[in-house]
Amino acid sequence: AQSVTQLGSHVSVSEGALVLLRCNYSSSVPPYLFWYVQYPNQGLQLLLKYTSAATLVKGINGFEAEFKKSETSFHLTKPSAHMSDAAEYFCAVNVNTGRRALTFGSGTRLQVQP
Amino acid sequence: DSGVTQTPKHLITATGQRVTLRCSPRSGDLSVYWYQQSLDQGLQFLIQYYNGEERAKGNILERFSAQQFPDLHSELNLSSLELGDSALYFCASSVATREGNEQFFGPGTRLTVL
Repeated sequence: AQSVTQLGSHVSVSEGALVLLRCNYSSSVPPYLFWYVQYPNQGLQLLLKYTSAATLVKGINGFEAEFKKSETSFHLTKPSAHMSDAAEYFCAVNVNTGRRALTFGSGTRLQVQP
Repeated sequence: DSGVTQTPKHLITATGQRVTLRCSPRSGDLSVYWYQQSLDQGLQFLIQYYNGEERAKGNILERFSAQQFPDLHSELNLSSLELGDSALYFCASSVATREGNEQFFGPGTRLTVL
């Protein structure tokens, strides 16, 4: 079985501060991992994905994530938060089990304070 | 804009009714996924179609059904609606059905059952 756990349902940072959103996965086989962002009243937009090519993955809008097998983690970071980053962020996993659908974490709502 | 379209954007109906949600995938994408997003259950995979055939089922109720047509658009049918079916329903598409394929999400249909 595959699953992801996002620690912290709400994270608040100041504009310009480091953003760190945590995601831990559980999988018995090498996973594919994704981060999606959902802005209010919109669908999900892919930020970045890990498919085993490189452990440090760079995405859109200045976000990046590092795959750490030893820690079963795939945390999302951004060096300097911008007001426009306020949104809900979802970590998702997909493994080679024949089922191609994504299993999502519960989401983390990011607030950016001026 | 992901290229995935969903109609209608909003749907308000009464308990016991039946509704149909429509999704058009990105041009060239053969795989369509349906997800349900609710406050209590989060984002859950419902069902997947690939080139007209059902490929995988998730937590889809028996009252719900879906199909994918020859032009690759898909419809999700929800019947005998209950208050608890109120949710945001997303359609996503991907070019194929391999693990690691990015899924592109539509804007969603917000269903309210009164």
